Amino acid sequence: NAGVTQTPKFQVLKTGQSMTLQCAQDMNHEYMSWYRQDPGMGLRLIHYSVGAGITDQGEVPNGYNVSRSTTEDFPLRLLSAAPSQTSVYFCASSYLSGGRNTIYFGEGSWLTVV
Amino acid sequence: DAKTTQPTSMDCAEGRAANLPCNHSTISGNEYVYWYRQIHSQGPQYIIHGLKNNETNEMASLIITEDRKSSTLILPHATLRDTAVYYCIVSDRYGGATNKLIFGTGTLLAVQP
Repeated sequence: NAGVTQTPKFQVLKTGQSMTLQCAQDMNHEYMSWYRQDPGMGLRLIHYSVGAGITDQGEVPNGYNVSRSTTEDFPLRLLSAAPSQTSVYFCASSYLSGGRNTIYFGEGSWLTVV
Repeated sequence: DAKTTQPTSMDCAEGRAANLPCNHSTISGNEYVYWYRQIHSQGPQYIIHGLKNNETNEMASLIITEDRKSSTLILPHATLRDTAVYYCIVSDRYGGATNKLIFGTGTLLAVQP
């Protein structure tokens, strides 16, 4: 049971390049999401999914696309990277069971756009 | 906007109890109080959550005031490994399940030897 796995851990992109951050979970969780964290700030929600085939926007969705073709995977695509997207990205997954909604986060992906 | 207010930073001596306050005066009747922490450069880690009753688990205790407008996270015997940013978040149970949590800037707890 690996939990939430993110790849790559570190990436440098040039402005205008595109890339995909991968996220996989092996806990059969229905819910997955992507957050970004800028230096000295809290996490901000980019996109989330409540199940395979269903996605929705969070607080800061511009410049990012997501899809959820399977329960396990939730990739985040940067369409045309900009320096403002330099950040640490966290993928998360959770399930709803009674009153407990524990969210499991990945270890983060450090992205620098130059 | 974050629905909670927390002090920016706190210090605690190793072995002593750490009491982290949180104000959430606009909390709704169906909203839970969640606590997460983030150790430097790692993903946030769930600690505890509650609705109106006090809660305790292996990591911490959560004390919620009767009017639910504030709460306190208690780490009973803080260790150096508890140095982290602690986030207090209010959300309904579906918000937590759908990961629609709004993180503020949290409290940096520094445990001193």
